[in-house]
Amino acid sequence: LAKTTQPISMDSYEGQEVNITCSHNNIATNDYITWYQQFPSQGPRFIIQGYKTKVTNEVASLFIPADRKSSTLSLPRVSLSDTAVYYCLVGENAGNNRKLIWGLGTSLAVNP
Amino acid sequence: NAGVTQTPKFQVLKTGQSMTLQCAQDMNHEYMSWYRQDPGMGLRLIHYSVGAGITDQGEVPNGYNVSRSTTEDFPLRLLSAAPSQTSVYFCASSRAGAGGNSPLHFGNGTRLTVT
Repeated sequence: LAKTTQPISMDSYEGQEVNITCSHNNIATNDYITWYQQFPSQGPRFIIQGYKTKVTNEVASLFIPADRKSSTLSLPRVSLSDTAVYYCLVGENAGNNRKLIWGLGTSLAVNP
Repeated sequence: NAGVTQTPKFQVLKTGQSMTLQCAQDMNHEYMSWYRQDPGMGLRLIHYSVGAGITDQGEVPNGYNVSRSTTEDFPLRLLSAAPSQTSVYFCASSRAGAGGNSPLHFGNGTRLTVT
């Protein structure tokens, strides 16, 4: 089962681009990479998901190198409201073998 | 759609008491799961279900029971509460299916304190 490693915390300023990298050296062939955002007193919320190369949506980009042993969540021009904990999750959600293991998350603080 | 609804939001129990944490989803998701979140330990899977009538253990199942009699509901039972079960509990659901990933939808959690 793949495990993930990500920085415990990061600091940034409003308007900057933030990149959070997750290491997952033993990712399996069928594993997807998913990122979630969590605010205090709320459940995690899906941000973006990918399998390989680059994925972009309205809030973030996800960069995955060819070996898939790491991934980078990119948040363009962060604002104060992006202050949250970000979780990288690696695993396969299909079928009956679904035991996803979460990392400890990266606490992002965006300063004015 | 309400999404995933958890009740209660807060609960205080005495050691040895039992209770049920409720979870309901209105998205017709096959997969449902329970997590606990503790400081410095991230999210840990307690139990999960891939459909009505089917449940399985996760990473930390001891002291908890689940059942899945309908697609919509997945209650978590604490049989005899212990202080070590003080935590925030999250229920999550998603579509299940072969060949891809379906993101999890979380409720807003139940904060449980056992004294």
